[in-house]
Amino acid sequence: DQQVKQNSPSLSVQEGRISILNCDYTNSMFDYFLWYKKYPAEGPTFLISISSIKDKNEDGRFTVFLNKSAKHLSLHIVPSQPGDSAVYFCAAYRNSGSRLTFGEGTQLTVNP
Amino acid sequence: EAGVVQSPRYKIIEKKQPVAFWCNPISGHNTLYWYLQNLGQGPELLIRYENEEAVDDSQLPKDRFSAERLKGVDSTLKIQPAELGDSAVYLCASSLEGYNSPLHFGNGTRLTVT
Repeated sequence: DQQVKQNSPSLSVQEGRISILNCDYTNSMFDYFLWYKKYPAEGPTFLISISSIKDKNEDGRFTVFLNKSAKHLSLHIVPSQPGDSAVYFCAAYRNSGSRLTFGEGTQLTVNP
Repeated sequence: EAGVVQSPRYKIIEKKQPVAFWCNPISGHNTLYWYLQNLGQGPELLIRYENEEAVDDSQLPKDRFSAERLKGVDSTLKIQPAELGDSAVYLCASSLEGYNSPLHFGNGTRLTVT
């Protein structure tokens, strides 16, 4: 039962343009959603999160949007930079004792 | 602050052999996690510790996998005997207090079982 899904295995964008990474979930009880970034041969690093009571959270070039009715969240990176090239995982959990569930990841490539 | 330290980085063993992984979490982090990551997949939780207590081990294949976190600091994950399907990256992570604080991951141990 894949509760968090990232349907696009890869995304390629030009430097300076916007990158939009998408994530869908099935469990309406999730309270928090997070994005992690992973470079090759390294562990994932936390990027940004959003509570289910909000619909937008912004941190510098990174913005996460949450659409609860559609059970969909997205990560916007603008402007994209070559150093943003990495695998991005979305993840979600419920406050009441569930585990953090990760999506499959999307490989973002930002071309100079 | 020093990050989560894992060793070894790589391990190649023959099937049916035992293997152990070690993790040193960030100082002061009460929660420690072991994750399994297969190629092209996201991390999947094997076990979560709050201090020295395993509070979520429902996904740990207990017939061959074991873990311990003595004194609530370092942790080891063991597989005995290893099977071909155990080839994956094993990630350790820690957080201040459960999922309410961001997880900090180590660089993982890549296990290859031949």
